[in-house]
Amino acid sequence: AQSVTQLGSHVSVSEGALVLLRCNYSSSVPPYLFWYVQYPNQGLQLLLKYTTGATLVKGINGFEAEFKKSETSFHLTKPSAHMSDAAEYFCAVSANSGGYQKVTFGIGTKLQVIP
Amino acid sequence: KAGVTQTPRYLIKTRGQQVTLSCSPISGHRSVSWYQQTPGQGLQFLFEYFSETQRNKGNFPGRFSGRQFSNSRSEMNVSTLELGDSALYLCASSHVGGGGAREQFFGPGTRLTVL
Repeated sequence: AQSVTQLGSHVSVSEGALVLLRCNYSSSVPPYLFWYVQYPNQGLQLLLKYTTGATLVKGINGFEAEFKKSETSFHLTKPSAHMSDAAEYFCAVSANSGGYQKVTFGIGTKLQVIP
Repeated sequence: KAGVTQTPRYLIKTRGQQVTLSCSPISGHRSVSWYQQTPGQGLQFLFEYFSETQRNKGNFPGRFSGRQFSNSRSEMNVSTLELGDSALYLCASSHVGGGGAREQFFGPGTRLTVL
């Protein structure tokens, strides 16, 4: 079985401040990990993904995430928040389950950026 | 490649009616997943179809059903609509195979309002 926990359904940061969105996962097999972003009235789009290799993954719009196996975490960060970063962010895990890759999403974290 | 398309984009129904939503995946993608998104419950998995077979199912009542056609297009149906079915319904397609990370590509969603 696999699961994803996103700590904090709502996060507020000031413009220019560090963005940190937390994601912890559970998987009995090596997982692939994703962050997706959803802007208002749109579908989700991929921000970044971890497959294998380098544990620090860089994505679009200046976001990055670090895979920490020992902590079963994949937190999303951005050094300086911009107003356009206001959106909902979803962490997801993809892992082999019964011969195919099963995908599980977290409940999402809404990011508010305060001017 | 054209993205995932969903029709209709907006729908208003009354309690007790039924509704059918359509999803056309990215060309070559044989897996289609459906999600329900509401402010209170977040993103919830409904079901996944692969090669016309339901591969995985979330915890929703039998009023929610789906199918997939030979061209990978998928439909979901909700019968006897309830007020609580008002939500954004998202469809996602993905390529399955090779054992690699399964990135999902989302459509813009269908906004269903039940009055």
